[in-house]
Amino acid sequence: GQSLEQPSEVTAVEGAIVQINCTYQTSGFYGLSWYQQHDGGAPTFLSYNGLDGLEETGRFSSFLSRSDSYGYLLLQELQMKDSASYFCAVRDLYDTDKLIFGTGTRLQVFP
Amino acid sequence: DTAVSQTPKYLVTQMGNDKSIKCEQNLGHDTMYWYKQDSKKFLKIMFSYNNKELIINETVPNRFSPKSPDKAHLNLHINSLELGDSAVYFCASSQEGAGGDFGELFFGEGSRLTVL
Repeated sequence: GQSLEQPSEVTAVEGAIVQINCTYQTSGFYGLSWYQQHDGGAPTFLSYNGLDGLEETGRFSSFLSRSDSYGYLLLQELQMKDSASYFCAVRDLYDTDKLIFGTGTRLQVFP
Repeated sequence: DTAVSQTPKYLVTQMGNDKSIKCEQNLGHDTMYWYKQDSKKFLKIMFSYNNKELIINETVPNRFSPKSPDKAHLNLHINSLELGDSAVYFCASSQEGAGGDFGELFFGEGSRLTVL
């Protein structure tokens, strides 16, 4: 089966940099996506890595290493509004075609 | 203008009752989903439909019955509600299965179900 593990919680202060890790075990791997979810809100798509390396989108970057079955989301210049839960997700091609989500990381940003 | 909309946003009901949640997307997507998010925030897929056809049924109890009257709508009916059904149910859509090449799903705002 598939499993994606993330730290349950990360805390940081405004202006800091934080890294949220995701390790995965999959039978078939297509790529790694990241989602943000504010309390009471909907998960929203942030980024995607299909190939190894770093993808940068403004203050957020995402990294993938296929050989290590590992990726991370890097958030720079943290702002209070970045306090949210962050989920990694992979496309499961082994059994049925579906998006599997990680366990989620709650980020709390303090002033 | 809402891309994926679900109603109601909140449901509070007694055990044993039946309830429905409706979802509509105006993105022109072919695939729609129901995900369940429990109190620990685990997001788990329940069902997936592609152009009104059931594609994925993730061993969900048969008290849960999805229906897709057309590719823009996916409803969820739950019979004989149990305490363990309390969760937030998210509808989502994408142009291709599993979010396509980039794993991008568009989620509704969720329907929080509380079973007493």
